[in-house]
Amino acid sequence: QKEVEQNSGPLSVPEGAIASLNCTYSDRGSQSFFWYRQYSGKSPELIMFIYSNGDKEDGRFTAQLNKASQYVSLLIRDSQPSDSATYLCAVDTGGFKTIFGAGTRLFVKA
Amino acid sequence: SQTIHQWPATLVQPVGSPLSLECTVEGTSNPNLYWYRQAAGRGLQLLFYSVGIGQISSEVPQNLSASRPQDRQFILSSKKLLLSDSGFYLCAWSAGGLSYNEQFFGPGTRLTVL
Repeated sequence: QKEVEQNSGPLSVPEGAIASLNCTYSDRGSQSFFWYRQYSGKSPELIMFIYSNGDKEDGRFTAQLNKASQYVSLLIRDSQPSDSATYLCAVDTGGFKTIFGAGTRLFVKA
Repeated sequence: SQTIHQWPATLVQPVGSPLSLECTVEGTSNPNLYWYRQAAGRGLQLLFYSVGIGQISSEVPQNLSASRPQDRQFILSSKKLLLSDSGFYLCAWSAGGLSYNEQFFGPGTRLTVL
């Protein structure tokens, strides 16, 4: 059974701090890794994807991938109250199948 | 730019009634299409995916079915709803070919079966 694990949280950080969200996956053959943001009652919104080991930066967001450790993370710098949401980690295991984690709830306190 | 539509936004149905949810994509051709269900506080469960007209792959055995009558139209159906069918139904698309399969979601349909 291919799995994607995330800490459900909630993760609470003060405004302006760095929020660190983590994810582990079980399938070593996974190729692409995605982070989605989901506000309460809304559909997921793609933030970033990464497919090579290392860091990928996009504005205040940095995705980090370590395939040897089967670990993906998302860093949010200068966190804002508007970043408060559930963050879903997703892993493309091939064959059009993407496995989603259950998500980590993030609260950014003003 | 690409846009994905889903309707209805919310639906309340009695047990045993039929279901039809529709999803359409604009601004792209030959997309891969997906139906997911999200139960309260849970992750997304892939129900069906399609890589072309008339091509449907089912991931979970259940009383739901899917069809793709046109390139950018994807329909989720049931003949008789169960209580366990309640949830947030999401349609998504991704580009075919050499993409990394990043998926983009529609606004979703919240289904309550009573």
